[in-house]
Amino acid sequence: GAVVSQHPSWVICKSGTSVKIECRSLDFQATTMFWYRQFPKQSLMLMATSNEGSKATYEQGVEKDKFLINHASLTLSTLTVTSAHPEDSSFYICSARDRDTGVNFGSGTRLTVV
Amino acid sequence: GQNIDQPTEMTATEGAIVQINCTYQTSGFNGLFWYQQHAGEAPTFLSYNVLDGLEEKGRFSSFLSRSKGYSYLLLKELQMKDSASYLCAAMDSNYQLIWGAGTKLIIKP
Repeated sequence: GAVVSQHPSWVICKSGTSVKIECRSLDFQATTMFWYRQFPKQSLMLMATSNEGSKATYEQGVEKDKFLINHASLTLSTLTVTSAHPEDSSFYICSARDRDTGVNFGSGTRLTVV
Repeated sequence: GQNIDQPTEMTATEGAIVQINCTYQTSGFNGLFWYQQHAGEAPTFLSYNVLDGLEEKGRFSSFLSRSKGYSYLLLKELQMKDSASYLCAAMDSNYQLIWGAGTKLIIKP
């Protein structure tokens, strides 16, 4: 149980386009989902916290207009990287909080902007 | 401030035992997680401790001492596939994970 599905697992896009990443909790309801970004050789960096039905809370330094987060239901949160640039190329990971098992991670999305 | 400390790198021999330590300081505490991460992949969950003591799960065990802000991950009967980074993360009072930088474990034959 407590599976978090993240899609797509990898994506290549052109500079200036937008990319949407989905994070789904498959067998539990996640009132809170977290979005992380991982830089090479560093630990995960929390970008934002997404609560169902409300606006996401962004960490300092993260541009909310660039990284749009929508948590429309208890099982789905989306991260849209708008007007992507090569420096946005990274590994994006979501996690969802389940009250019984704690925090469960998605498999990650490798974004490459060319 | 909130902080997680763990060694940057450790080396061990196949078949041996290794202990990876982690100390933490957080605003409130809702548990300590250990994750394994292979290069290019997302971290995979290994263990979760919220009460003091040792939790054993196959070849992996995790220990927690809340009074000391200390945890360790114990790996027994090491296999080559155990070569990975091991991330320690503490959950604070807001249920957000404070991550360590990870310990790169190198297994030698």
